[in-house]
Amino acid sequence: DTAVSQTPKYLVTQMGNDKSIKCEQNLGHDTMYWYKQDSKKFLKIMFSYNNKELIINETVPNRFSPKSPDKAHLNLHINSLELGDSAVYFCASSQVGFGYTFGSGTRLTVV
Amino acid sequence: DAKTTQPTSMDCAEGRAANLPCNHSTISGNEYVYWYRQIHSQGPQYIIHGLKNNETNEMASLIITEDRKSSTLILPHATLRDTAVYYCIVRVGTTDSWGKFQFGAGTQVVVTP
Repeated sequence: DTAVSQTPKYLVTQMGNDKSIKCEQNLGHDTMYWYKQDSKKFLKIMFSYNNKELIINETVPNRFSPKSPDKAHLNLHINSLELGDSAVYFCASSQVGFGYTFGSGTRLTVV
Repeated sequence: DAKTTQPTSMDCAEGRAANLPCNHSTISGNEYVYWYRQIHSQGPQYIIHGLKNNETNEMASLIITEDRKSSTLILPHATLRDTAVYYCIVRVGTTDSWGKFQFGAGTQVVVTP
């Protein structure tokens, strides 16, 4: 029973394409997040949703658009992919004020 | 959220205790100390957190100094599977806080046979 699951695990695509990464959590948490880990291994928050409402939106290009159809799902859509978007993207969830549970990551490679 | 300072790397012999220090001299009264680790190619994993008292769970112990300006994560009997990057994060822990976890560079711990 995976707590936070992301699909796909690996994604290889060409520049200019549009792609989506899906995330689902079965923990009953109210808040979900997207983090990006680049080649230098720094984890940076991108977005956070609480009960389907956007609460954190870091300085991220507007080619990235999160969507939360319900509080158990937070998907990430990326338009016009660029080489610099290559990274590992992690989804996480939490109850407000408590620690995060992370997914296993989606490794995106743009060629 | 307060910033933290951790050593870049440390080695530990298998079976010995690993003591990971973290400085957080600007910590506020309502900020908790959290520890996470990231094993290669996996998502970060929660280890332990605390406010001012020492804490222990099945994974580790957390020792927080009385002035709360520093803490130490203790892995009592390190195994090869404990090789990972360990992150110390301070963050407001109240239920009405939307504060995000800010991950720094962490400490790369290598456990050797």
